[in-house]
Amino acid sequence: KAGVTQTPRYLIKTRGQQVTLSCSPISGHRSVSWYQQTPGQGLQFLFEYFSETQRNKGNFPGRFSGRQFSNSRSEMNVSTLELGDSALYLCASSLGGTSGGIPDTQYFGPGTRLTVL
Amino acid sequence: AQSVTQLDSQVPVFEEAPVELRCNYSSSVSVYLFWYVQYPNQGLQLLLKYLSGSTLVKGINGFEAEFNKSQTSFHLRKPSVHISDTAEYFCAVSDLWGYALNFGKGTSLLVTP
Repeated sequence: KAGVTQTPRYLIKTRGQQVTLSCSPISGHRSVSWYQQTPGQGLQFLFEYFSETQRNKGNFPGRFSGRQFSNSRSEMNVSTLELGDSALYLCASSLGGTSGGIPDTQYFGPGTRLTVL
Repeated sequence: AQSVTQLDSQVPVFEEAPVELRCNYSSSVSVYLFWYVQYPNQGLQLLLKYLSGSTLVKGINGFEAEFNKSQTSFHLRKPSVHISDTAEYFCAVSDLWGYALNFGKGTSLLVTP
């Protein structure tokens, strides 16, 4: 089974621009989560989608948004880029359910490295 | 809130020596814990997870971890490390709803000959 794929792998943008990142989950997985990784803040949860609905959201400004399509593929968008948005953006997929309250394991993609100049 | 604290930011160790990477958690309810590894310029790979049952969890690449409720710890161990184990290791706890992971700051393991 193919793993989680993310495109593009690298991006360079300038301040004020917007960017869209894409994530294709493992086949059969219906949940997609996004995380931001920076040297200063570490790994931080952005949001999670399941069956095209956002179920959970982290503490990020409204410039960060996402969506999920009917085939479970997901995109995240960052508008009005700031220098501090430079980071590795990781996508993770899971089956999305909870068995008796026990969460499904999340499997991560290789990430998209975004550099904002 | 569910959170984890990784007690060491860097751990240097010689090849074939044992290693322990420490992680403490904070939770008032059932806790689900994970260890992930990140090699340079790559995403995260799941090493092992504790969901319930046996407190000693065995993972990939010879790693294991022990869930200790009384000490609120979930330390990662390996009896003999290899150069190829050099990487960043992250401890994580699932949030209350199981939809997000809260990560520690990471421990950089450096294995030298």
